[in-house]
Amino acid sequence: AQSVTQLGSHVSVSEGALVLLRCNYSSSVPPYLFWYVQYPNQGLQLLLKYTTGATLVKGINGFEAEFKKSETSFHLTKPSAHMSDAAEYFCAVSDDFGNEKLTFGTGTRLTIIP
Amino acid sequence: GAVVSQHPSRVICKSGTSVKIECRSLDFQATTMFWYRQFPKQSLMLMATSNEGSKATYEQGVEKDKFLINHASLTLSTLTVTSAHPEDSSFYICSATQGASETQYFGPGTRLLVL
Repeated sequence: AQSVTQLGSHVSVSEGALVLLRCNYSSSVPPYLFWYVQYPNQGLQLLLKYTTGATLVKGINGFEAEFKKSETSFHLTKPSAHMSDAAEYFCAVSDDFGNEKLTFGTGTRLTIIP
Repeated sequence: GAVVSQHPSRVICKSGTSVKIECRSLDFQATTMFWYRQFPKQSLMLMATSNEGSKATYEQGVEKDKFLINHASLTLSTLTVTSAHPEDSSFYICSATQGASETQYFGPGTRLLVL
């Protein structure tokens, strides 16, 4: 069975500061890892995903995440926060080479302080 | 990008009635659609996977006779909550994909409140 833990249900950072959203996973097989973002009243949008290969993955809107097998982590970062980054962020894991049966974390709400 | 819509966005119904939620892929053909449920402050939980023209596959613990899923076309899937009860109140989210190993595109969700 897989599971995802997102540390911190709410994170606040100042505009221009580093954004760090934490995600740890549990999987019995090599995982496929995803970060999704949800803006108010909108569907989840894929930010980035890790399947195989390079462990540092770059996504949209300047976000990136690094797969660290030894730490079973897939933390999401952005060097400089923008007001438009305020949203809910979900980490997810799949044990398939497709995107079926995603297991989601509980989400982290990111607030940007002007 | 690919767009998935859901209708209605919010619904309130009386206990014992049935509610139908629609999920549409607006600009692509979705061979597979997924239905999730999200309770407050909890993660999205997969309820079922449906492929066009075939019966849905339900996750363990999800009552297939209570949550009827129909995927009659490549652009439409419906979830019917039959004989709804207050404990069925939740946020229901669908997603769609164009095929295996493809990105899931999510709808905006439907908030169901059963009185």
